[in-house]
Amino acid sequence: QKEVEQNSGPLSVPEGAIASLNCTYSDRGSQSFFWYRQYSGKSPELIMSIYSNGDKEDGRFTAQLNKASQYVSLLIRDSQPSDSATYLCAALAKGSSNTGKLIFGQGTTLQVKP
Amino acid sequence: SQTIHQWPATLVQPVGSPLSLECTVEGTSNPNLYWYRQAAGRGLQLLFYSVGIGQISSEVPQNLSASRPQDRQFILSSKKLLLSDSGFYLCAWRGVRGEAFFGQGTRLTVV
Repeated sequence: QKEVEQNSGPLSVPEGAIASLNCTYSDRGSQSFFWYRQYSGKSPELIMSIYSNGDKEDGRFTAQLNKASQYVSLLIRDSQPSDSATYLCAALAKGSSNTGKLIFGQGTTLQVKP
Repeated sequence: SQTIHQWPATLVQPVGSPLSLECTVEGTSNPNLYWYRQAAGRGLQLLFYSVGIGQISSEVPQNLSASRPQDRQFILSSKKLLLSDSGFYLCAWRGVRGEAFFGQGTRLTVV
């Protein structure tokens, strides 16, 4: 069973701090990874994608991938109350490039306190 | 640009009633389309995906079915709803790098 694991949280950080969200995956052949933000009652929104080992930065967001450890993380710098949401990690399994089947984690709830 | 439309936004249906949820995509041709369900407090579960007209793959055995009568139309159906069918249903299309882009979702409550 291919799995993506996340700590459900909630992760609580003060405004202005760095929030660190983590994700592990079981399929060593996974090639592509995505982070989604989901506000309560809304659909998931793609915020970051990463395909190779290392860091990828986009504004206040940094995605990190370590394929050897099968570990993906999302850092949010200068956290704002508007960042309070559930963050979903997803992996595109090897062999799924045609079907595009993503495996999602359960999500981590982030609370940014003013 | 591509957009995805999903309706209705909310739906309350009695047990045993039929269901039809519709999803349409604009701005792309021959997209891969997906139906996901998110139960309360849980992650996203892939229900069906389609790589083309009339081509449906089911991921989990269940009380639901899907159809793709047109290139950019994907329909989720049930003949008789169960209480366990309640959840947040999301239609999505596949981007060029394998990412999924979601519609606004339908919150279904079976009573």
